[in-house]
Amino acid sequence: DSGVTQTPKHLITATGQRVTLRCSPRSGDLSVYWYQQSLDQGLQFLIQYYNGEERAKGNILERFSAQQFPDLHSELNLSSLELGDSALYFCASSVTPGPDWEAFFGQGTRLTVV
Amino acid sequence: QKEVEQDPGPLSVPEGAIVSLNCTYSNSAFQYFMWYRQYSRKGPELLMYTYSSGNKEDGRFTAQVDKSSKYISLFIRDSQPSDSATYLCAMSAAGRGGGYQKVTFGTGTKLQVIP
Repeated sequence: DSGVTQTPKHLITATGQRVTLRCSPRSGDLSVYWYQQSLDQGLQFLIQYYNGEERAKGNILERFSAQQFPDLHSELNLSSLELGDSALYFCASSVTPGPDWEAFFGQGTRLTVV
Repeated sequence: QKEVEQDPGPLSVPEGAIVSLNCTYSNSAFQYFMWYRQYSRKGPELLMYTYSSGNKEDGRFTAQVDKSSKYISLFIRDSQPSDSATYLCAMSAAGRGGGYQKVTFGTGTKLQVIP
């Protein structure tokens, strides 16, 4: 167990809907990363927050947004969902803002858009 | 063409075999190289980290980087059924003004070690 908690574990929703994925980082970690994993694209970096501030942005769609709250948990909001958004979404956390490979991953949220 | 190419497998080997997992890359700026292990229904976990070229050994695992060929490998000796997982290679370059660029991941190779 990495200590990073993601909820829910599974989510099934319809196209056009909006969902929120939640991440609780390890105790003491200030940095939170969000990744999307699909079979064809692999693991893709979406966005990083450090101590409440956006730190880095990757290939995140405009329909997606995230934030990190004062208690350091983070939420990833996905709206106007499309079939292609079906994927595993991972959160990772680390104490410092980098390097990325020092971050620990949660177990992921499997999103299915039907 | 993707920056990092990795054979998706699946790779099936008998217990005790030596496993070789490989990735090629096109970005010559990459100098930090990682291997992650991902069990089914779990998040990736960092297995090995190597800076620049050369070999690094950790127990049954050896990571090898050949920057001249833009090729990295992970060798697993005496493979065990518990090694059955997907292995992701990953790479990063130095950032401007220090720091690191975001990690680029391969798509992963699924390994099955048969008892």
